[in-house]
Amino acid sequence: NAGVTQTPKFQVLKTGQSMTLQCAQDMNHEYMSWYRQDPGMGLRLIHYSVGAGITDQGEVPNGYNVSRSTTEDFPLRLLSAAPSQTSVYFCASSNIYSNQPQHFGDGTRLSIL
Amino acid sequence: KNQVEQSPQSLIILEGKNCTLQCNYTVSPFSNLRWYKQDTGRGPVSLTIMTFSENTKSNGRYTATLDADTKQSSLHITASQLSDSASYICVVSSVLYSGGGADGLTFGKGTHLIIQP
Repeated sequence: NAGVTQTPKFQVLKTGQSMTLQCAQDMNHEYMSWYRQDPGMGLRLIHYSVGAGITDQGEVPNGYNVSRSTTEDFPLRLLSAAPSQTSVYFCASSNIYSNQPQHFGDGTRLSIL
Repeated sequence: KNQVEQSPQSLIILEGKNCTLQCNYTVSPFSNLRWYKQDTGRGPVSLTIMTFSENTKSNGRYTATLDADTKQSSLHITASQLSDSASYICVVSSVLYSGGGADGLTFGKGTHLIIQP
């Protein structure tokens, strides 16, 4: 049981480049989300999805796009990378019911030069 | 605005000692409170989830308490081990998806715990 798998684990980009962070889960969870974690701050929600074909914005969505074509996959796209997007990105999934824990991936550490 | 405040920010204790981490919140309405452990370089892992009616919940050497009246929670670690060195994150969920993040979760900044041999 792999849980939530994120790739790549590390990435360095130049300003203006685009890339896609991959996230896959094998638990048949309806709910998936993307967070960023910056030093001295709590996890902040970027985008989330309550099922295939349904996505919505979180607290800090600017500069990021998502899509949910399958239950298993929820990729995060950086359209034009900026140094302010240097962060650690976590993908999470859970059962749709609010009393269920979120399962997190191990993160993608992204540096924008 | 919904907020979750954790204290202390960081804590250093000797192996074998006990410690207590605090979480105060202003999230309303309240659905549940979660404690996560995050090892360096890894994603958060759920330790406990408590709803309004639960006062105490244990997971091995970890015991979480919740006082919904005062909006306070604590995480007590008994007989600490080197493997307990990590950040501990308190997360509060609101019933309505209107507070904190759009998914109803408000995250604390975490307590960084270091266990020294």
